[in-house]
Amino acid sequence: EIVLTQSPATLSLSPGERATLSCRASQSVSSYLAWYQQKPGQAPRLLIYDASNRATGIPARFSGSGSGTDFTLTISSLEPEDFAVYYCQQRSNWHFMYTFGQGTKLEIK
Amino acid sequence: QVQLQESGPGLVKPSQTLSLTCTVSGGSISSGGYYWSWIRQHPGKGLEWIGYIYYSGSTYYNPSLKSRVTISVDTSKNQFSLKLSSVTAADTAVYYCARGSDSSGYSIDPWGQGTLVTVSS
Repeated sequence: EIVLTQSPATLSLSPGERATLSCRASQSVSSYLAWYQQKPGQAPRLLIYDASNRATGIPARFSGSGSGTDFTLTISSLEPEDFAVYYCQQRSNWHFMYTFGQGTKLEIK
Repeated sequence: QVQLQESGPGLVKPSQTLSLTCTVSGGSISSGGYYWSWIRQHPGKGLEWIGYIYYSGSTYYNPSLKSRVTISVDTSKNQFSLKLSSVTAADTAVYYCARGSDSSGYSIDPWGQGTLVTVSS
């Protein structure tokens, strides 16, 4: 089973600042990594797929990078609506299982 | 665009079977390349994948739940379902149905709004 470890657990920043969230896989997932945003009481929303492709309707301030085991989600300039919990996710080609990271809470400083 | 909606009892007694249905609208559940999935979230916790049924009918389950989970599809109703047997309070969670895709790196989109299931006598 591939384990995804996100860091930091909590990130405190102010609007306008740059946010950098990390996701590390216990073994290579190639580029098959996605990022989601979840706000309280809502379902997760797909932000990034295939490590670096923005999903439909996602603002350009969100970007993803990485391959293999190390991935990054960057929010270039935080808007008030960006404060939420962010999850990374992968699906193994060997075990056909989906796994999620434990989440990073992005909070207002 | 495709939309998913969960339905089912919000309260289940311990030792009974939790049954949920996901209705797919705006597209066919028989379309190729999709993984019709169930994911849950315990209160205040992260996301846990339960399992999925591929458009071909193959199923894959989280090993930690495999002995209790069945996912099936009803193409005539454009629905897929989750059954989780022998539930305990630890199965209290928000349950989401969602669609995974071959063509977007196995990412999951869209998601249903989620339904809270409480296990209690």
